Amino acid sequence: KQEVTQIPAALSVPEGENLVLNCSFTDSAIYNLQWFRQDPGKGLTSLLLIQSSQREQTSGRLNASLDKSSGRSTLYIAASQPGDSATYLCAISLKYNFNKFYFGSGTKLNVKP
Amino acid sequence: DTGVSQDPRHKITKRGQNVTFRCDPISEHNRLYWYRQTLGQGPEFLTYFQNEAQLEKSRLLSDRFSAERPKGSFSTLEIQRTEQGDSAMYLCASSWEDRAYGYTFGSGTRLTVV
Repeated sequence: KQEVTQIPAALSVPEGENLVLNCSFTDSAIYNLQWFRQDPGKGLTSLLLIQSSQREQTSGRLNASLDKSSGRSTLYIAASQPGDSATYLCAISLKYNFNKFYFGSGTKLNVKP
Repeated sequence: DTGVSQDPRHKITKRGQNVTFRCDPISEHNRLYWYRQTLGQGPEFLTYFQNEAQLEKSRLLSDRFSAERPKGSFSTLEIQRTEQGDSAMYLCASSWEDRAYGYTFGSGTRLTVV
């Protein structure tokens, strides 16, 4: 069974700080990896999508990396803002069954003004 | 296109009642997925459709759950004889046939069984 783990479960930082969220997975045969943001009681908003052939993707203050060999992905957030406060979820799909995503439990981020 | 739409946003029902949720995917997407998310956990896969065909169902989808996508457009998820353990957020997502583009999720339906 594919396991996706996100560490830490919760993180509180002061505004302006750069931070890294971690995601690890047990099966290296990934098809792609997607990072999502979820605000309380809301659905998921896609942030970045990394194909298995890629090492990283960037969008604005966000940068996501993928290391298949070590089974890890990181989401880097530069110059954090209070509006970044949310839960961040990573999800992977596998090459031999890419019809579903396996999600981690998320990292709940609080950026203090 | 306004993205993936789900209706209702919230549903409170008494144990034993039947409930039905609706999902309208992005119109160009031929794949549609249902996930369930309980408090503090990541979403878990329930089922997916390609056009009108339901191609995979999770073991989480007990006999009380049924999903349809009659014309390959919108989809419904019905839960019969609801139980308190069914309380969760039910999320719908859609994608192109080429999953390299990832998923787009709706805002979800929050079900509370009392």
